[in-house]
Amino acid sequence: GAGVSQTPSNKVTEKGKYVELRCDPISGHTALYWYRQSLGQGPEFLIYFQGTGAADDSGLPNDRFFAVRPEGSVSTLKIQRTERGDSAVYLCASSPQQLTSPTDTQYFGPGTRLTVL
Amino acid sequence: AQKVTQAQTEISVVEKEDVTLDCVYETRDTTYYLFWYKQPPSGELVFLIRRNSFDEQNEISGRYSWNFQKSTSSFNFTITASQVVDSAVYFCALSEYTGNQFYFGTGTSLTVIP
Repeated sequence: GAGVSQTPSNKVTEKGKYVELRCDPISGHTALYWYRQSLGQGPEFLIYFQGTGAADDSGLPNDRFFAVRPEGSVSTLKIQRTERGDSAVYLCASSPQQLTSPTDTQYFGPGTRLTVL
Repeated sequence: AQKVTQAQTEISVVEKEDVTLDCVYETRDTTYYLFWYKQPPSGELVFLIRRNSFDEQNEISGRYSWNFQKSTSSFNFTITASQVVDSAVYFCALSEYTGNQFYFGTGTSLTVIP
């Protein structure tokens, strides 16, 4: 079946601009996650949704970052007043509500590479 | 606090050699999950394995094997008879038993030389 998809694959913006990154999870997965991966690092947790609500947003670095999932499926990560330090690959993942079978895990999308000039 | 350490930043091996990637974790939880993911040059994270904290049985899948030792908080990954296609960055990760927030190590970049 289809995996997690993310759009755009690449986004170049200027410092101070607003950007939106989209994630379409695997059909039927109720949990959705956003991570940020800087060069040479592992993914860093940002926020987790269970259904429509943000169950854990403790990883968001500051109030310029916000994410929504209004209908419990597609999610949008929004970054206001972008800064050069926001440049990274933003990864989205989805999973079943509970990890029951051995292959249940977070499945990751290809990521959006954000470059802030 | 949860923490995953992958001390090996980069490893190079010649094709057909065996290689072991180390992973050491820290957690106060009594039940948790451990994972390995592969990130090839294309960038997409590919799931390899999930291990429950209460199941210390080692696992083998083809050329891949995993050694989970709770006593040393380690979850090491061995590739037998490495191939060029194994070249990638490998990440070890830890999550609480709900499987929500993942804590990733910094990854080990493996290069298999033909």
